Amino acid sequence: EIVLTQSPGTLSLSPGERATLSCRASQSVSSSYLAWYQQKTGQAPRLLIHGASSRATGIPDRFSGSGSGTDFTLTISRLEPEDFAVYYCQQYGSSPYTFGQGAKLEIK
Amino acid sequence: EVQLLESGGGLVQPGGSLRLSCAASGFTFSIYAMSWVRQAPGKGLEWVSAISGSGGGTYYADSVKGRFTISRDNSKNTLYLQMNSLRAEDTAIYYCAKDVGSGWFCFDCWGQGALVTVSS
Repeated sequence: EIVLTQSPGTLSLSPGERATLSCRASQSVSSSYLAWYQQKTGQAPRLLIHGASSRATGIPDRFSGSGSGTDFTLTISRLEPEDFAVYYCQQYGSSPYTFGQGAKLEIK
Repeated sequence: EVQLLESGGGLVQPGGSLRLSCAASGFTFSIYAMSWVRQAPGKGLEWVSAISGSGGGTYYADSVKGRFTISRDNSKNTLYLQMNSLRAEDTAIYYCAKDVGSGWFCFDCWGQGALVTVSS
């Protein structure tokens, strides 16, 4: 099973700042089958990024993903108030299709 | 507009059974693989099970294998999860999730979730 470890666990930033979230895999994620989701309190997750760097339909271009192998990054270039939420990475290259433990992005 | 609507959640005793349903609309249901993903209270996400578009292929996490059964009725655009021998650790919100394609196990649309509570 591929274990995904996200860091930091909590990131405190202000609107307008840049956010960088990390996701490290315990073994290489095949073909960069790595996704990022955003979840707000009381809501279902929303797909942001798939294939490590491809934005999902309707996702603003301030969200970007990068990385390969075992190290992946989600970057939000300029934080908007609605971006403060919990973010999860997920690998879908091999079963079981595991998620990271989540990273909370909070307003400073 | 793609919509997924779960139903069938509730309170069940340990060892009991429950069947979740997910009614899909707004897309050609039979083309897409579907999954169930759960989230225990205050915890992260856990993939539970998936099924191919035709229903011919089914996949399970080890934690539910032998106890849960995923199925679909493409004539009714509905996904199911039959849960037997339920345990306290199965307590979670269960989300129905649409695959981005025919079996990528990456999810571009989620339902609002159904709460399952296993307790005596």
